[in-house]
Amino acid sequence: EDQVTQSPEALRLQEGESSSLNCSYTVSGLRGLFWYRQDPGKGPEFLFTLYSAGEEKEKERLKATLTKKESFLHITAPKPEDSATYLCALPDSGGYQKVTFGTGTKLQVIP
Amino acid sequence: DTGVSQDPRHKITKRGQNVTFRCDPISEHNRLYWYRQTLGQGPEFLTYFQNEAQLEKSRLLSDRFSAERPKGSFSTLEIQRTEQGDSAMYLCASSGPASYEQFFGPGTRLTVL
Repeated sequence: EDQVTQSPEALRLQEGESSSLNCSYTVSGLRGLFWYRQDPGKGPEFLFTLYSAGEEKEKERLKATLTKKESFLHITAPKPEDSATYLCALPDSGGYQKVTFGTGTKLQVIP
Repeated sequence: DTGVSQDPRHKITKRGQNVTFRCDPISEHNRLYWYRQTLGQGPEFLTYFQNEAQLEKSRLLSDRFSAERPKGSFSTLEIQRTEQGDSAMYLCASSGPASYEQFFGPGTRLTVL
């Protein structure tokens, strides 16, 4: 069965303090890996799709990378507005449409 | 606004009552998904439609849950005889024919008293 594990569960950073969030996965056939951002009381907001090991994508202060076993979301010089829960997700290897989400990393950036 | 919309945003009901939620996907998207999310957890897949056909259902979707997508446009999710354990955020997402990147709506927060 496909599995997605995110760490840490929560992360507290000072404004400007760079760090990385981890997403480890087990899947029989990788069809891509998604990163989402979710603010409290709202639906997840799509950030990135990574398709193959070695791929990297960037958006503002966020950079997502992918290896054969895990993905990292690097946050460079974060600002308070980056505070949110970051979710990674995998399309299920048994079918293209079901997506399995991790439990997320709750990021708090303190001014 | 051309994003996914959901109605209502909040619903409070008493145990045993029936509730129905609506989702309007992005207009050109033919795929529609329902998820349930509880506090501290990621969204859990419930069901998936391609056009009007319901192609996949999770084991989480008990007999009290039913979803429809008439004419392949908006979708409804009905929960009959609600239980306190049904309290959660119900999320709808849609994706286009050429991609399986899913775009989410704002969700419906259900509270069962």
